[in-house]
Amino acid sequence: DGGITQSPKYLFRKEGQNVTLSCEQNLNHDAMYWYRQDPGQGLRLIYYSQIVNDFQKGDIAEGYSVSREKKESFPLTVTSAQKNPTAFYLCASSKLGRFYTFGSGTRLTVV
Amino acid sequence: ELKVEQNPLFLSMQEGKNYTIYCNYSTTSDRLYWYRQDPGKSLESLFVLLSNGAVKQEGRLMASLDTKARLSTLHITAAVHDLSATYFCAGHPADRGSTLGRLYFGRGTQLTVWP
Repeated sequence: DGGITQSPKYLFRKEGQNVTLSCEQNLNHDAMYWYRQDPGQGLRLIYYSQIVNDFQKGDIAEGYSVSREKKESFPLTVTSAQKNPTAFYLCASSKLGRFYTFGSGTRLTVV
Repeated sequence: ELKVEQNPLFLSMQEGKNYTIYCNYSTTSDRLYWYRQDPGKSLESLFVLLSNGAVKQEGRLMASLDTKARLSTLHITAAVHDLSATYFCAGHPADRGSTLGRLYFGRGTQLTVWP
């Protein structure tokens, strides 16, 4: 069955540390997205990508970086420059800007 | 940019009652989505509304779209406890151009249904 796999489900980051969240899809979707969700907030877009080796900043890209070396993969790195990274992170993909599918999410906590 | 506003943000209702969640958006959108989210979980797709006057129903939930008013509604009929969750609406601009089909989300409506 096709879908999106996010890992890990829970992640703990120490101050000053970079961490990478994984997102893999086998839906043959072209576009992939990273959203951040804070309590009581909607989803805010961090980065998005339509094709391999190309991506654009979303609304809250500062302190984050991404890569798109393969169509199936869109990892997100939370860098030490992100001062308040504790949140729930959702990865999504779409075909032609439609047929969105969301991953199960990664909960990141700073310790 | 598409701004999406939902109201109410919090809704507490008794089982058996009816209520409507409203979703206003700022510019022309060619499709409107409704999602459900349980605590700590991902988004579950409920409805996709494609055209003016579209109405879709699934169980106790019914969604509609009025593109002229830039308004979508999610109506809950005879609420039950199992409907307790957060509901989001989302859309993307009709002219997707450089936005690559990104979705713009409302802040969500946290629904609690009590006996």
